[in-house]
Amino acid sequence: TQLLEQSPQFLSIQEGENLTVYCNSSSVFSSLQWYRQEPGEGPVLLVTVVTGGEVKKLKRLTFQFGDARKDSSLHITAAQTGDTGLYLCAGYAGNNRKLIWGLGTSLAVNP
Amino acid sequence: GAVVSQHPSRVICKSGTSVKIECRSLDFQATTMFWYRQFPKQSLMLMATSNEGSKATYEQGVEKDKFLINHASLTLSTLTVTSAHPEDSSFYICSARDPTASYEQYFGPGTRLTVT
Repeated sequence: TQLLEQSPQFLSIQEGENLTVYCNSSSVFSSLQWYRQEPGEGPVLLVTVVTGGEVKKLKRLTFQFGDARKDSSLHITAAQTGDTGLYLCAGYAGNNRKLIWGLGTSLAVNP
Repeated sequence: GAVVSQHPSRVICKSGTSVKIECRSLDFQATTMFWYRQFPKQSLMLMATSNEGSKATYEQGVEKDKFLINHASLTLSTLTVTSAHPEDSSFYICSARDPTASYEQYFGPGTRLTVT
């Protein structure tokens, strides 16, 4: 059972376009994290959201945590080729200290 | 942020041999470390949770006799792949949890294992 449904799994867009990646669950998460990973490297934490309805911005990236803390989204404005990579959401459900992972979104931004 | 290192970054070994991968937390003490396996363009798959001074907890389907984990100190965990097969070829990533930083997990750079 995949507790965190991440979509889309693959995304190929042109430079300058906007995109949104979604992570959804039927479970309530005490916190949710977004990572970006480049080939041959470990995941790098982008943001952690903990409060329902929270919105965090990191330059052109906007992260939102759903009011019920069951879903989250990552929106990238005016994508650049440097945004290419694997984006992963992960979170702690309830009091569980084991990180639950989405399946990842492989993003390719073409020049 | 905290730094986690892995060594080696790449290793090639022959079928039937064993290979050891080290994971170190460089600037904090990690009572808990995690070992993941990852296939290309896919998410991380948790293999086991390594607790300092005790036996590792393996996820369902992961052979504990094949993937030996030792967490002998608060800054070092090792994963040994024994009797390696080509199907063990993968990207192995460790992470360490900092108990003083809201249980944030910090990831190592990964180890690319190729079994020939």
